[in-house]
Amino acid sequence: GQNIDQPTEMTATEGAIVQINCTYQTSGFNGLFWYQQHAGEAPTFLSYNVLDGLEEKGRFSSFLSRSKGYSYLLLKELQMKDSASYLCACPSGGYQKVTFGTGTKLQVIP
Amino acid sequence: ETGVTQTPRHLVMGMTNKKSLKCEQHLGHNAMYWYKQSAKKPLELMFVYNFKEQTENNSVPSRFSPECPNSSHLFLHLHTLQPEDSALYLCASSQGLRENTEAFFGQGTRLTVV
Repeated sequence: GQNIDQPTEMTATEGAIVQINCTYQTSGFNGLFWYQQHAGEAPTFLSYNVLDGLEEKGRFSSFLSRSKGYSYLLLKELQMKDSASYLCACPSGGYQKVTFGTGTKLQVIP
Repeated sequence: ETGVTQTPRHLVMGMTNKKSLKCEQHLGHNAMYWYKQSAKKPLELMFVYNFKEQTENNSVPSRFSPECPNSSHLFLHLHTLQPEDSALYLCASSQGLRENTEAFFGQGTRLTVV
């Protein structure tokens, strides 16, 4: 089976840096996704990590440690529009069996 | 515009009604999915279709009946639903079923069963 844990809510200040953590327990590891979902909108792809280390994409970076079953999403220079839910997800056996975390609702305040 | 369009965006139905949710993708993908998103719960995969063939039914009750007439269209037929079926139903598509395949989601249908 698979289990994914992430904090339910976080608050951060505009212009700051925030780190959203995700821990997972999977029967077989096939990478880890991060998606962003604004309220009332579709989830959109942010990143996919399958190797250890940090991958940077502009203001967003994603980190993976397979030995620790741990990932984080790092958001720099926070903007008000970054207020959204951030979903961590692990596929297994092909995309058919994706397990999502409950999502972390991030609120960016002035 | 996400490339995946769902209609209707909102639906209120009684427990004895029959309704259908529609999903259309304009991305040329061959795999399509239905997900259920309830408040404070993870996204739950319901069904997977690949090249119009159903490849996954994640123990979904028979009151939910999917239909995939072609790789671009996916339906979810609903009948005799329960109030606990109220949720956001999301459609997604992807190019293939590999583990690193990015999914593209529609904006969802907010379903309320009364």
